[in-house]
Amino acid sequence: EVVLTQSPGTVSLSPGERATLSCRASQSVNTKYLSWYQQKPGQAPRLLIHGASSRATGIPDRFSGSGSGTDFTLTISRLEPEDFAVYYCQQYGSSRYTFGQGTKLDIK
Amino acid sequence: QMQLQESGPGLVRPSETLSLTCTVSGGSISSYFWSWIRQSPGEGLEWIGYIYHTGNTNYNPSLKSRVTISIDTSKNQFSLKLRSVTAADTAVYYCAKVMLGDAFDIWGQGTIVTVSS
Repeated sequence: EVVLTQSPGTVSLSPGERATLSCRASQSVNTKYLSWYQQKPGQAPRLLIHGASSRATGIPDRFSGSGSGTDFTLTISRLEPEDFAVYYCQQYGSSRYTFGQGTKLDIK
Repeated sequence: QMQLQESGPGLVRPSETLSLTCTVSGGSISSYFWSWIRQSPGEGLEWIGYIYHTGNTNYNPSLKSRVTISIDTSKNQFSLKLRSVTAADTAVYYCAKVMLGDAFDIWGQGTIVTVSS
């Protein structure tokens, strides 16, 4: 099983700042199969990025994904008030899906 | 616009079977893969399994012995059965559509299932 470790666990930033969230895999992940989600309280996760760097439909261009192998990054270029949420990475490999434990993005 | 909606009992007794249904609207179930995912405070997001419209399935090895996912294309629904539940199965259960590239692009709102006597 591929274990995804996200860091930091919590990050406190202000609107307008840049956020950089990390996802590290226990073994190499095909970039086709690395995704990022945003989850707000009481809501289902929402797909932001698939294929490591492709934005999902309707996702603003301040969200970007990068990385390969075992290290992946979600960047939010300028934080908007609605971006404060929990973010998860997810991978598919060896016929199963796994998620990271999440990074909580707090308002400073 | 495709939407998914979970339905089923919110309370299940220990050792019994959890049964949930996901209804797909705004599109046909006869394409794509369809998944169940759960989320508990202790375990985070956990993939349970998926089914293709042909009926082919794949389950998380950690749950495989207790899980069955089925599909009814005539009703545009797919279902989850989880046997011999314990308190550890208490979670929010989501159904989701799997897009090419194996990301979950459409989710139901989720349904809370509590296992308790």
